[in-house]
Amino acid sequence: SQQGEEDPQALSIQEGENATMNCSYKTSINNLQWYRQNSGRGLVHLILIRSNEREKHSGRLRVTLDTSKKSSSLLITASRAADTASYFCATADTGGFKTIFGAGTRLFVKA
Amino acid sequence: DAMVIQNPRYQVTQFGKPVTLSCSQTLNHNVMYWYQQKSSQAPKLLFHYYDKDFNNEADTPDNFQSRRPNTSFCFLDIRSPGLGDAAMYLCATSRVGGINEQYFGPGTRLTVT
Repeated sequence: SQQGEEDPQALSIQEGENATMNCSYKTSINNLQWYRQNSGRGLVHLILIRSNEREKHSGRLRVTLDTSKKSSSLLITASRAADTASYFCATADTGGFKTIFGAGTRLFVKA
Repeated sequence: DAMVIQNPRYQVTQFGKPVTLSCSQTLNHNVMYWYQQKSSQAPKLLFHYYDKDFNNEADTPDNFQSRRPNTSFCFLDIRSPGLGDAAMYLCATSRVGGINEQYFGPGTRLTVT
């Protein structure tokens, strides 16, 4: 089974609202990353949080990591229609090469 | 300005007819990855190269092969495509493994008729 499981599978919000996506994983990790994918395109790296970090910010993005619960959350504040995309969490094992992606959350932001 | 380039963007092949997808990078990264992504699913790692060292995932079918003739280029060969191989194929690079972010190409959408 996949390392990262995400919820919700789909999320629909109004522009200006906040969007929260959650990710859980199963084994020890080196880091956890979040990626965005617009429909039919490649993935774009958003943010990386290391296993010894608890929270990280980047612009309108806030990521938390709880290694005791093996979970992470991605918060997008003041969402925009352009944020409409699929969001994936990805974990790298302690060996560092194998990156496993979660099933993703499809976010739809209505203008 | 493109960093990871995939060609072609769309590929149609016939059932059983060999096909090659290509990826090139201008980042000089050590690691190159190939992922398969089916509709509404997560990308699934097929294999990766660390320099010339090839690493195949245990569940990658033998039908899928890869070549990396130099740092910049990596190819995905599908020897006998089946209908189940229709998917988006994503190439990615990173400096050193999963401890760093991966840079993805735009993908090649493969259709098998």
